[in-house]
Amino acid sequence: EPEVTQTPSHQVTQMGQEVILRCVPISNHLYFYWYRQILGQKVEFLVSFYNNEISEKSEIFDDQFSVERPDGSNFTLKIRSTKLEDSAMYFCASRSSGGWNEQFFGPGTRLTVL
Amino acid sequence: GENVEQHPSTLSVQEGDSAVIKCTYSDSASNYFPWYKQELGKRPQLIIDIRSNVGEKKDQRIAVTLNKTAKHFSLHITETQPEDSAVYFCAASRGKSTFGDGTTLTVKP
Repeated sequence: EPEVTQTPSHQVTQMGQEVILRCVPISNHLYFYWYRQILGQKVEFLVSFYNNEISEKSEIFDDQFSVERPDGSNFTLKIRSTKLEDSAMYFCASRSSGGWNEQFFGPGTRLTVL
Repeated sequence: GENVEQHPSTLSVQEGDSAVIKCTYSDSASNYFPWYKQELGKRPQLIIDIRSNVGEKKDQRIAVTLNKTAKHFSLHITETQPEDSAVYFCAASRGKSTFGDGTTLTVKP
């Protein structure tokens, strides 16, 4: 069964450094998402991406964040200058063009900012 | 934007009892309502979902009901087992998903 994959599984970085989190969505899916989950808290929407552009973003997704689909398979989240409060689990999700919005989640990347 | 409220935040039941978790949502445009089970350090795992054109859905010990008029939806787990212990999240979706705060379910043997 096809799955969303994410790399790395765990990223440790120093405050102020740039990080890129990578995702490979399911191959025939057209809608892509990034979510964040701070330890012990709920899953929060960051951004959605369709047709090579951002379709919606939350207030969390400020100028420090960017997303890109550099080729036909990868979907990346970049944090330009990490802050301590960016430490969280980041989940990528994708869905097909079907109308009922079922999303498939990747295993997540745990980002630790020191 | 969408707001999802989930209750209770913690729930403790004896093995074999039923567990009910309730959510409300605010955006009438939401048309898909998934429920996720999340174990520590793992991704949210879809356990059941319901679409806005359906009032209820059942899958073995798990059922979900949706009241579109009241903007309520609920998860029902019957004959609970210790392995049902986890954090459960509801979500309301119209593309992006807005999650509730989660319910920590503990099933005591």
